[in-house]
Amino acid sequence: DAGVTQSPTHLIKTRGQQVTLRCSPKSGHDTVSWYQQALGQGPQFIFQYYEEEERQRGNFPDRFSGHQFPNYSSELNVNALLLGDSALYLCASRLAGLHGYTFGSGTRLTVV
Amino acid sequence: AQSVTQPDIHITVSEGASLELRCNYSYGATPYLFWYVQSPGQGLQLLLKYFSGDTLVQGIKGFEAEFKRSQSSFNLRKPSVHWSDAAEYFCAVGGPLTGANNLFFGTGTRLTVIP
Repeated sequence: DAGVTQSPTHLIKTRGQQVTLRCSPKSGHDTVSWYQQALGQGPQFIFQYYEEEERQRGNFPDRFSGHQFPNYSSELNVNALLLGDSALYLCASRLAGLHGYTFGSGTRLTVV
Repeated sequence: AQSVTQPDIHITVSEGASLELRCNYSYGATPYLFWYVQSPGQGLQLLLKYFSGDTLVQGIKGFEAEFKRSQSSFNLRKPSVHWSDAAEYFCAVGGPLTGANNLFFGTGTRLTVIP
């Protein structure tokens, strides 16, 4: 049973560019959340998707957007990249109504 | 405001010794509390969680945590540490005010285990 799968594992982008990160939730899970983990920090909640809609959002600018597909997979898009966007981006999934997320291994984004 | 404080940035223990990692939280309602572990280059693995009921919670890998409402604490313990426990540990809080989806994490405690 595959857990949460994220791609790519590493990515280098230039300031001002746009990036798309992908996440496949654990089998049977229908809810996906995204977190940003800067170096030496704990993860920070970006947003959560359920039934293809953004249900809750953390304190992140509109440059951060997402999407959830009918198969529950999800994308995180970041526009106009800043150096400060460099971080590990974690995707987490769960089954709606239950608690306790399963996290993926993350995508390491470096903005130069 | 919601927050989590993990006062110990780095802890070193000998293999076989007992361990306690501290976590204090601020939350305006009854919290949901979690401990996660992260190995280098890996995602987060859930060790245990508290929602209600018995304040002593048992988790995986021999870990346990105790919720103390009066102290706003949720400390993680293990009676005998193994070398494989070396990792980063994160305490997190969520709940009805912010939703169980929106977890607030502490900055983590890095655990080093010496032979």
